Amino acid sequence: QVHLVESGGGVVQPGRSLRLSCAASGFTFSSYAMHWVRQAPGKGLEWLAVISYDGSYKYFADSVKGRFTISRDNSKNTLYLQMNSLRTEDTAVFYCARPRTTEQWLYRGMDVWGQGTTVTVSS
Amino acid sequence: QSVLTQPPSVSGAPGQRVTISCTGTSSNIGAGYDVHWYQQLPGTAPKLLISANSNRPSGVPDRFSGSKSGTSASLAITGLQAEDEADYYCQSYDSSLSGVIFGGGTKLTVL
Repeated sequence: QVHLVESGGGVVQPGRSLRLSCAASGFTFSSYAMHWVRQAPGKGLEWLAVISYDGSYKYFADSVKGRFTISRDNSKNTLYLQMNSLRTEDTAVFYCARPRTTEQWLYRGMDVWGQGTTVTVSS
Repeated sequence: QSVLTQPPSVSGAPGQRVTISCTGTSSNIGAGYDVHWYQQLPGTAPKLLISANSNRPSGVPDRFSGSKSGTSASLAITGLQAEDEADYYCQSYDSSLSGVIFGGGTKLTVL
């Protein structure tokens, strides 16, 4: 069964850092690009970043460029989101998601989502 | 403010048909990039409802359909049911932003 499980969320002070993880199972993780998407309380979905299957390509939303980094360890079937210089407006539920296909992954819908992990940035 | 524009809310009675629009620009939908639709029930992760403009993933009822024309796309739901009450999001790619974009979301209320 295809499964994504995020972890690493919590309460953090503004300006601090946090690293989220997304553990994948049930599919060949190393063949798929992976996305991070977040949802602030009561707000809509916001795409954050995507990484290619081998980590050689990475794209970021302007809102997090320079502060957030995406990476992966295919030997551990795990995706990461390193978040630095956190702001109160980064408070959200963070989801990892898989593109529906291994080809043209930047343009595809996301057919597998984790349950999300909550990050609260507050002093 | 989202690059893709959706109505904040729509409503319909059980059994009726509703449509949700998603309006983009020449750098996303108008450039030929596919549009995808998601359903998000309260407290749950989004679920892919329509892929590549009009394709239903396995398990999605045929009451849900999608279309795309020019710089816009639409999601239609026929035979509205109480369980369809949820938030719906469109998604595409934007060449100017070099990234994935979502619409602001539409809350569907079944009267």
